[in-house]
Amino acid sequence: DAGVTQSPTHLIKTRGQQVTLRCSPKSGHDTVSWYQQALGQGPQFIFQYYEEEERQRGNFPDRFSGHQFPNYSSELNVNALLLGDSALYLCASSSVNNEQFFGPGTRLTVL
Amino acid sequence: GENVEQHPSTLSVQEGDSAVIKCTYSDSASNYFPWYKQELGKRPQLIIDIRSNVGEKKDQRIAVTLNKTAKHFSLHITETQPEDSAVYFCAASEDNFNKFYFGSGTKLNVKP
Repeated sequence: DAGVTQSPTHLIKTRGQQVTLRCSPKSGHDTVSWYQQALGQGPQFIFQYYEEEERQRGNFPDRFSGHQFPNYSSELNVNALLLGDSALYLCASSSVNNEQFFGPGTRLTVL
Repeated sequence: GENVEQHPSTLSVQEGDSAVIKCTYSDSASNYFPWYKQELGKRPQLIIDIRSNVGEKKDQRIAVTLNKTAKHFSLHITETQPEDSAVYFCAASEDNFNKFYFGSGTKLNVKP
């Protein structure tokens, strides 16, 4: 079991560009949550996907959107990138009565 | 929404001493309180968790206590070792698979 995987590992973009991050959940998990972790801070909840629908959303603008596929994998899209979007983006997978497992993250740098 | 506060932001102890990290939360609907350890450049890893129907839980050198009335919970690490050095995050949630609200983190440094 590979656990939660994310791609790419690192990404450099310029302001105004768009980015797509990908996550594959741990085997047996059907729920995917995305978090943004700025340097020196705790992760902040972006949104959660279950059964291909956005189930919960944190306090992030509409520039942040996502998708979940029938195989439970998920994408996070960010449009019109700002310098402040530079962060580690963590994906976590879970299911009822199971703990959330975090992926290794994607380090996004916006120049 | 939920607000989780964590103290201290940094903690330095001598190897073998105990370390205590404290968190408070605001939403009485929170029932699940995990603690994560994050080493530099790595993913957060669950080290212990507690649910609101339990006041204390222990796993070897690590223990967590919860006071639901006062809305605070604490992580206790005994006999600290240099490999315990990392950033520790507390979190609160309605359940283990719901969205987590994280504290700001505590950087623990265990000096050999």
